[in-house]
Amino acid sequence: GNSVTQMEGPVTLSEEAFLTINCTYTATGYPSLFWYVQYPGEGLQLLLKATKADDKGSNKGFEATYRKETTSFHLEKGSVQVSDSAVYFCALSSNYQLIWGAGTKLIIKP
Amino acid sequence: DSGVTQTPKHLITATGQRVTLRCSPRSGDLSVYWYQQSLDQGLQFLIQYYNGEERAKGNILERFSAQQFPDLHSELNLSSLELGDSALYFCASSPQSDSSYNEQFFGPGTRLTVL
Repeated sequence: GNSVTQMEGPVTLSEEAFLTINCTYTATGYPSLFWYVQYPGEGLQLLLKATKADDKGSNKGFEATYRKETTSFHLEKGSVQVSDSAVYFCALSSNYQLIWGAGTKLIIKP
Repeated sequence: DSGVTQTPKHLITATGQRVTLRCSPRSGDLSVYWYQQSLDQGLQFLIQYYNGEERAKGNILERFSAQQFPDLHSELNLSSLELGDSALYFCASSPQSDSSYNEQFFGPGTRLTVL
């Protein structure tokens, strides 16, 4: 079946460091791929998405490229801030619903 | 603010009891999704309704049920509660039934504690 695998957290970085959170997927067909973010005490919100192979989603300095050949959708940011501390979820669309990764907690230290 | 509202914010109850969680989707959204988030299980999709009809079912227990009313608000009913049902329950909404292209907008969640 369809599934999403994310790197385990927590990921701890210093401010201004480069961020990569790995996400790989298993799916039939050509699903859309998403990154959602959950800030402490809040619900999830869409960070970025890509609907077909080689698409790059971007928002708030974050980027992710839909790589069909490696079935990956890794999240990157060139210079993280303390305010980026949150839990990040990778997800794919399948049969009217989203299949979620386990989430990766990101901690940014000043 | 996503525009999705959930009540109550917190709920504390005892094992064996029954509770109802309520969700109002964003104005104009026809789909409502329910999720359970716990430390050990992560984020689990429970069920989706679209314009009053059940559209997709996930890992929802038989003790749980949901419905979407004509005004599009939704309720999640949890019965015969167990300690393991303690979790954060999220509602999300989207304009259409297919998540492929439509963003899901999440409410702030209801934290359920079963003692």
